[in-house]
Amino acid sequence: GQNIDQPTEMTATEGAIVQINCTYQTSGFNGLFWYQQHAGEAPTFLSYNVLDGLEEKGRFSSFLSRSKGYSYLLLKELQMKDSASYLCAVLDSNYQLIWGAGTKLIIKP
Amino acid sequence: DAMVIQNPRYQVTQFGKPVTLSCSQTLNHNVMYWYQQKSSQAPKLLFHYYDKDFNNEADTPDNFQSRRPNTSFCFLDIRSPGLGDAAMYLCATSSGTESTDTQYFGPGTRLTVL
Repeated sequence: GQNIDQPTEMTATEGAIVQINCTYQTSGFNGLFWYQQHAGEAPTFLSYNVLDGLEEKGRFSSFLSRSKGYSYLLLKELQMKDSASYLCAVLDSNYQLIWGAGTKLIIKP
Repeated sequence: DAMVIQNPRYQVTQFGKPVTLSCSQTLNHNVMYWYQQKSSQAPKLLFHYYDKDFNNEADTPDNFQSRRPNTSFCFLDIRSPGLGDAAMYLCATSSGTESTDTQYFGPGTRLTVL
């Protein structure tokens, strides 16, 4: 079966750094996406990785290791508005997007 | 601005009363998707259209139907909503289904079934 695992919830402090991990087992791999979803709203695209390594985009970075079936999303200089769920999703061999259940990130002052 | 629009944002229906949710896009994307998302769960793909080619997920209940009359519009019909169908329904679009084709989401319609 196909499976995406990520922690259910994490708590971090404003101004700090947090790393949200994602591991996956899918039938094939055509890239990994991270989406941000605020409560009651639709997911918004954050990043896409298809090659191993780190992609940096402002305060957010995403890392991928295909051999380990592992990715992480790194958020720096946390702001209160970063409180949201972060969804990891993998595009499988059929180009179907397989979603994780999301990690709820709580930012405390 | 180019975008994905869903109407209504909130929909209340009665048990068993048919309901239609709508989605439109100004991105001119080829692919449109309907997802169901329940609280604290991953979005679940119901179906997607590549142009007019309809692709139904194997585990999508028959109670859910979809129509795409043209490139810009896509509808989700729930023929006889049950209490278990209360959820957020997300419409998304992408230019294609290749690995670099990011999906862009509408704001969602939250369905309540009484």
